Amino acid sequence: GAVVSQHPSWVICKSGTSVKIECRSLDFQATTMFWYRQFPKQSLMLMATSNEGSKATYEQGVEKDKFLINHASLTLSTLTVTSAHPEDSSFYICSAAPDRPSYEQYFGPGTRLTVT
Amino acid sequence: DQQVKQNSPSLSVQEGRISILNCDYTNSMFDYFLWYKKYPAEGPTFLISISSIKDKNEDGRFTVFLNKSAKHLSLHIVPSQPGDSAVYFCAASLNTDKLIFGTGTRLQVFP
Repeated sequence: GAVVSQHPSWVICKSGTSVKIECRSLDFQATTMFWYRQFPKQSLMLMATSNEGSKATYEQGVEKDKFLINHASLTLSTLTVTSAHPEDSSFYICSAAPDRPSYEQYFGPGTRLTVT
Repeated sequence: DQQVKQNSPSLSVQEGRISILNCDYTNSMFDYFLWYKKYPAEGPTFLISISSIKDKNEDGRFTVFLNKSAKHLSLHIVPSQPGDSAVYFCAASLNTDKLIFGTGTRLQVFP
C-alpha cells in the first residue's frame, strides 16, 4: 500500500515552454501533497505544500508564478513549470501524506526535467 | 542555514558488520525524526522514525537512536547487506506539514 506515482518519469523540453508533472496517490487519499526539488548530490528541498481545494503554500525563494501547483483532488496534484529555462533542469519529487500531521510522507519516483 | 546536517557524505562497510549513519540538528523544537533510503533516480523510501519523546526505536535490522541533549540521532543497520547500499537521508519535522531533510550519506556495503 501507500503507492505514489509520478508522470512523466523524465521529460526534455525547449527553453521557454511549459511542462506539467502529475503526482497521484494510487491507493490512499492524500490530505496533503508536497513538491520537492533535488539537485545532484544535494538534499531534497521543499518547494511547496498543497492541500486539496486550496492554494499551495510556497517556500521562501520559490516563485509561485513559475511553479504552478494545482491540487484538484485528494489523489492528484500537478506541478507546472512555466517558461522553463535551463536552470530549472532538476529532479522533481512529489510526496503525499494520508494524515495530519504529515510526518510520514510517501514519495513518488521523481521526474527528471531537462531544459535545453 | 542547514538545520539538519549529515556530516559524512559517504560510508563504506563490510557485509555483516554494523553501519552507523549520523545526523545532527540545530532546532530543539523538532519533535519527529525520520530516516529515508534513496536509490538514484528514485523517490525516497521511508525506513524508520522516532518521536522526540523517545530515545530508541527498533525495526528489524534498523534501529534509530535519539540524543536530544546533543541534538543528534543515528541509524544503526545490523547486519549490513549489499542491498542496503543507497543514499540515506534523515529528516525532521516541526509538527507541521514540513519535513526538513539532511544532505544525505551514501552507504556502500561491500562483500
